[in-house]
Amino acid sequence: DQQVKQNSPSLSVQEGRISILNCDYTNSMFDYFLWYKKYPAEGPTFLISISSIKDKNEDGRFTVFLNKSAKHLSLHIVPSQPGDSAVYFCAASNYGGSQGNLIFGKGTKLSVKP
Amino acid sequence: EAGVAQSPRYKIIEKRQSVAFWCNPISGHATLYWYQQILGQGPKLLIQFQNNGVVDDSQLPKDRFSAERLKGVDSTLKIQPAKLEDSAVYLCASSLTIRSYNEQFFGPGTRLTVL
Repeated sequence: DQQVKQNSPSLSVQEGRISILNCDYTNSMFDYFLWYKKYPAEGPTFLISISSIKDKNEDGRFTVFLNKSAKHLSLHIVPSQPGDSAVYFCAASNYGGSQGNLIFGKGTKLSVKP
Repeated sequence: EAGVAQSPRYKIIEKRQSVAFWCNPISGHATLYWYQQILGQGPKLLIQFQNNGVVDDSQLPKDRFSAERLKGVDSTLKIQPAKLEDSAVYLCASSLTIRSYNEQFFGPGTRLTVL
């Protein structure tokens, strides 16, 4: 049973336009959400996070939106650049609980075309 | 600041053989994680250490997988004997503390192929 779902395996966007990556979760105990970015042959790198007490967090070109009632979060990249082409993983955690383990989605491969 | 180091980067073995992976976390990071990432999937936690103690190993197949973190720094993950379904990338990550809001820093991973 997948607790974190990224239903779009891939997304293609034109350079300069907005990229929107979506993530749904089922466990209402999750209280912290993160996005990781992964290039081929490298480990995932942290991109941005959001606590469940917020509905938006912004860092430069990256903004994460959280809709708790819908158990949905999204990552917006504006404007998209070719260097943003990578696999993006959504992850969730019950940090208020015991160990703060991360549960990852399957990832969405973003391709930004020049 | 040096990142998380892992070795080897690639390993090919035959089924029923044994294999070991090594991880050196970021200096000062108390928490260390081993993840398994099967092709097309997200990383799945295998085991989590806080210093040299195991915090969570609920998803570690203990009949064949073992891990240790002696002295609370480096860690090794071992598979014995390996099965075909163990083919995956094994990622090591570390974080400053167990339940702070610090993100986990990942190493480059070890790609294991079991033939």
